[in-house]
Amino acid sequence: EVQLVESGGGLVQPGGSLRLSCAASGFTFSSYSMNWVRQAPGKGLEWVSYISSSSSTIYYADSVKGRFTISRDNAKNSLYLQMNSLRDEDTAVYYCARDSGSYYPIGYFDYWGQGTLVTVSS
Amino acid sequence: EIVMTQSPATLSVSPGERATLSCRASQSVSSNLAWYQQKPGQAPRLLIYGASTRATGIPARFSGSGSGTEFTLTISSLQSEDFAVYYCQQYNNWPPNTFGQGTKLEIK
Repeated sequence: EVQLVESGGGLVQPGGSLRLSCAASGFTFSSYSMNWVRQAPGKGLEWVSYISSSSSTIYYADSVKGRFTISRDNAKNSLYLQMNSLRDEDTAVYYCARDSGSYYPIGYFDYWGQGTLVTVSS
Repeated sequence: EIVMTQSPATLSVSPGERATLSCRASQSVSSNLAWYQQKPGQAPRLLIYGASTRATGIPARFSGSGSGTEFTLTISSLQSEDFAVYYCQQYNNWPPNTFGQGTKLEIK
């Protein structure tokens, strides 16, 4: 059974930093591209970042470019999101989501974690 | 960036009836369109990909259609567990992978 479990969320002040983790199991993690998608309270879904299976290709949404860094450790079956210079508008539930394509990304997400809440507030 | 627009924002339908949700893309996305269902407090769940292919384990009452810029998600006979928020997402031109703003399907 595919499982994605996020952790690392919490309350942080504006300008602060936080590192999210996503532990993957039930599939060959190193074969799949991964993403972070966020959802502000009461709002819709916003794609945040993408990393290819080998970490060779990385993309960011304009709203987080230069502040967030995505990474992965295939030996540990883990995905990460380092968030710096956090702003009020970064408050959201952050989901890790698997790209549906094995080795070659397709662009839609077939498995999602349960999410971790990040609250940016003074 | 491709903008996805869903309508209506809220749809009220009685159990057992048919629900039709719409999604429009600002430019053609071919058939590279996915639908997700999200219940309160839960993560989104993939329903449809390729505009019309049901994901694993999705009941046959869910069907998708369309191509280019106009898409439809139809739920043929609403069950109590189908009342949720539904999102469309294009993956023809990414990044960014863009979502619609969602349609809330509520009990009438």
